[in-house]
Amino acid sequence: EPEVTQTPSHQVTQMGQEVILRCVPISNHLYFYWYRQILGQKVEFLVSFYNNEISEKSEIFDDQFSVERPDGSNFTLKIRSTKLEDSAMYFCASSGDSLRHSYNEQFFGPGTRLTVL
Amino acid sequence: AQKITQTQPGMFVQEKEAVTLDCTYDTSDQSYGLFWYKQPSSGEMIFLIYQGSYDEQNATEGRYSLNFQKARKSANLVISASQLGDSAMYFCAMSLNQAGTALIFGKGTTLSVSS
Repeated sequence: EPEVTQTPSHQVTQMGQEVILRCVPISNHLYFYWYRQILGQKVEFLVSFYNNEISEKSEIFDDQFSVERPDGSNFTLKIRSTKLEDSAMYFCASSGDSLRHSYNEQFFGPGTRLTVL
Repeated sequence: AQKITQTQPGMFVQEKEAVTLDCTYDTSDQSYGLFWYKQPSSGEMIFLIYQGSYDEQNATEGRYSLNFQKARKSANLVISASQLGDSAMYFCAMSLNQAGTALIFGKGTTLSVSS
């Protein structure tokens, strides 16, 4: 069964460094998302992306975050200057399989655990 | 704005018994979807079941069913015949029935299944 993949599974970085989290969505999906989950807390929406543009973003997604689809398969989240409070699990998701009846059934990747020291 | 409330931080159930995880939601929109996800200790998010606001019948997927009561704005998850592998965190979520919109999650319920 097709699945969303994410790399790396765990990233450790120093405060102030830039990180890029990578995702490969399900191939025929149209919409891509990033969510984060601080340890022990609920999952929070960051941004959605469609047709090479941001379609929706939350107040968490400030100027230090950016997303990109650099080629036909990858979808990336960049954090320019990491802070301690960016430590979290970051999930990529995709949706929009035209074979399904509902466009907004989102399928999640396994996550990247980001640790900022 | 949408809001999801899960009032049960933790639930305990014996193997083979059924369990209901509560979820209430709030929205002023007419067209929306409700979702349940399972998060085992390994951390991944596993999609379980979906219910559309206009669906007249409750959704079912194997041992999972969604008890949808629109007037009460509730979307409880029922797991029948619990198994040890069902021990996990369960999140209720909702979104507008519009492609590309955010999933709004509740705080989750930790389910522990004992033998």
